[in-house]
Amino acid sequence: GENVEQHPSTLSVQEGDSAVIKCTYSDSASNYFPWYKQELGKGPQLIIDIRSNVGEKKDQRIAVTLNKTAKHFSLHITETQPEDSAVYFCAARIIQGAQKLVFGQGTRLTINP
Amino acid sequence: NAGVTQTPKFRILKIGQSMTLQCTQDMNHNYMYWYRQDPGMGLKLIYYSVGAGITDKGEVPNGYNVSRSTTEDFPLRLELAAPSQTSVYFCASSYRDSEAFFGQGTRLTVV
Repeated sequence: GENVEQHPSTLSVQEGDSAVIKCTYSDSASNYFPWYKQELGKGPQLIIDIRSNVGEKKDQRIAVTLNKTAKHFSLHITETQPEDSAVYFCAARIIQGAQKLVFGQGTRLTINP
Repeated sequence: NAGVTQTPKFRILKIGQSMTLQCTQDMNHNYMYWYRQDPGMGLKLIYYSVGAGITDKGEVPNGYNVSRSTTEDFPLRLELAAPSQTSVYFCASSYRDSEAFFGQGTRLTVV
């Protein structure tokens, strides 16, 4: 069935450094790839998304890249700050009938001061 | 707008009891979803709905039921609660092919 793999499961970086989280998806028909940030005790919130007709999208310190041929996409956070510490989830919308949104396993990002 | 509202926020159930997790959204989204999140794990899709009167199973539907009588509401029913259903439950809604908005979650413990 549909599958989204996310790596690494945990990531620790020094404040000011960059962080990269990678995801792969199984269904080549997927066309929408959001990234969510989940803070402790809260629901996931969208931070950036990309559609399959573009290869890269940037919003201030956050960027997402998409490689449709390899079926993988990545989240890049530059100049990390303590408030970036959270769990991050990638997702892919699988185009089979009703377009279910399938999530990766999550990455716990810790920014060390 | 309130967005996606889930009630209750916390609940403790005894094995074999039943309960309904409520979810309502005020964004007129046609898609609604129920996910569960186990400790240290990602979000697993339980059920979803593409519009009033239409529901379908996700990855882990066993032990749950849903209904969608209105666009706004998408309750999740647990019959005969089991310890394996201890989890945090998230409801979400979206338009077709756009961002999904999540509720704050319901933390359920079955003892």
